[in-house]
Amino acid sequence: GAGVSQSPSNKVTEKGKDVELRCDPISGHTALYWYRQSLGQGLEFLIYFQGNSAPDKSGLPSDRFSAERTGGSVSTLTIQRTQQEDSAVYLCASSLEASKGEQFFGPGTRLTVL
Amino acid sequence: GNSVTQMEGPVTLSEEAFLTINCTYTATGYPSLFWYVQYPGEGLQLLLKATKADDKGSNKGFEATYRKETTSFHLEKGSVQVSDSAVYFCALRSGGSYIPTFGRGTSLIVHP
Repeated sequence: GAGVSQSPSNKVTEKGKDVELRCDPISGHTALYWYRQSLGQGLEFLIYFQGNSAPDKSGLPSDRFSAERTGGSVSTLTIQRTQQEDSAVYLCASSLEASKGEQFFGPGTRLTVL
Repeated sequence: GNSVTQMEGPVTLSEEAFLTINCTYTATGYPSLFWYVQYPGEGLQLLLKATKADDKGSNKGFEATYRKETTSFHLEKGSVQVSDSAVYFCALRSGGSYIPTFGRGTSLIVHP
């Protein structure tokens, strides 16, 4: 079956512009996570969705970052007024249930802010 | 809070060499432990896991044993291949949180 997909695979934008990154999780997976991976760094947790519950936004670095998940499936991460330090690979992961622990990752979106 | 510490890379080996990538952790409660692998240009994929003390996770020739007494989960492989070149992430998830904690990753480079 299909894995987690993300689009676009690469995004180059100018400082100050808004960007939207999309994640399609594996069908039936109730938990969805967004992470940021900067060069030479580990994974930085951003936000977590579980079913219809309110998301855990504790990892979002500033109010320029937001995310939504429509219908318990597709998720969009939005970064407003992008800054150069936002340049990174943004990874999405889903899991059947959050309590199971195992996550399935998408290939990521490489964001470059000029 | 929870944390995962991995040895810094890159680790450079010749084909068929023995591999060890160290991972130690601090966590509340009794965490589940994971190793993920990220091949160039791809997302992370689960390599192996262990959910309780003394469990050994294994996959594709890789092994790691959950050592509660030393809070470690070191990754080993007896004979690496060029195709094992990737970045390896140690991670944990403790019972009270649905958000995993990842290490910084260790790059492995295997030369023919």
